[in-house]
Amino acid sequence: KQEVTQIPAALSVPEGENLVLNCSFTDSAIYNLQWFRQDPGKGLTSLLLIQSSQREQTSGRLNASLDKSSGRSTLYIAASQPGDSATYLCAVGNTGFQKLVFGTGTRLLVSP
Amino acid sequence: KAGVTQTPRYLIKTRGQQVTLSCSPISGHRSVSWYQQTPGQGLQFLFEYFSETQRNKGNFPGRFSGRQFSNSRSEMNVSTLELGDSALYLCASSVSGGSSYEQYFGPGTRLTVT
Repeated sequence: KQEVTQIPAALSVPEGENLVLNCSFTDSAIYNLQWFRQDPGKGLTSLLLIQSSQREQTSGRLNASLDKSSGRSTLYIAASQPGDSATYLCAVGNTGFQKLVFGTGTRLLVSP
Repeated sequence: KAGVTQTPRYLIKTRGQQVTLSCSPISGHRSVSWYQQTPGQGLQFLFEYFSETQRNKGNFPGRFSGRQFSNSRSEMNVSTLELGDSALYLCASSVSGGSSYEQYFGPGTRLTVT
């Protein structure tokens, strides 16, 4: 059974810092990995999707990497801003269908 | 292009009642998945529909059911509500049913069972 863990559970940084969020999964036989952000009481916003054959994806200040063999993914946020404050979730697609197994999330607070 | 929409956004029900939640996917998307989010269990997969067929189901009791219509809109139903069913219910849509496609989530329906 796939289990997804995110470390740290919470992170507080001053504006402008570069930061790394970590995601680990127990079963390396994945199809893809997706990073989301969730604002309080809201739905999920997709940030990046990495296919199992890819090593990384980039979008603006965000860069996500994937190492299937070690069961890890990292989300790098450059030059953090207060608007980046949210909960970040990673989710793994294990099957050929649209079932995602979610991590526990990292709650990020960026202070001005 | 309009995003995934869910109705209603908020719902208060009493234990023992039943409830129906609705999800309209992004235009052109044929796959709809449902998730339950609670503080204790996090986000858990309920089921996925593609072309009106349920293709995958999570570990939830039979009180949770769903369906998809020919226009890809989907509904989920929870019968005999329990206090533990209080949660944020999220639906997600995707272009197709393969796992290589990105999922887009709606704003969710906040269900409170009293």
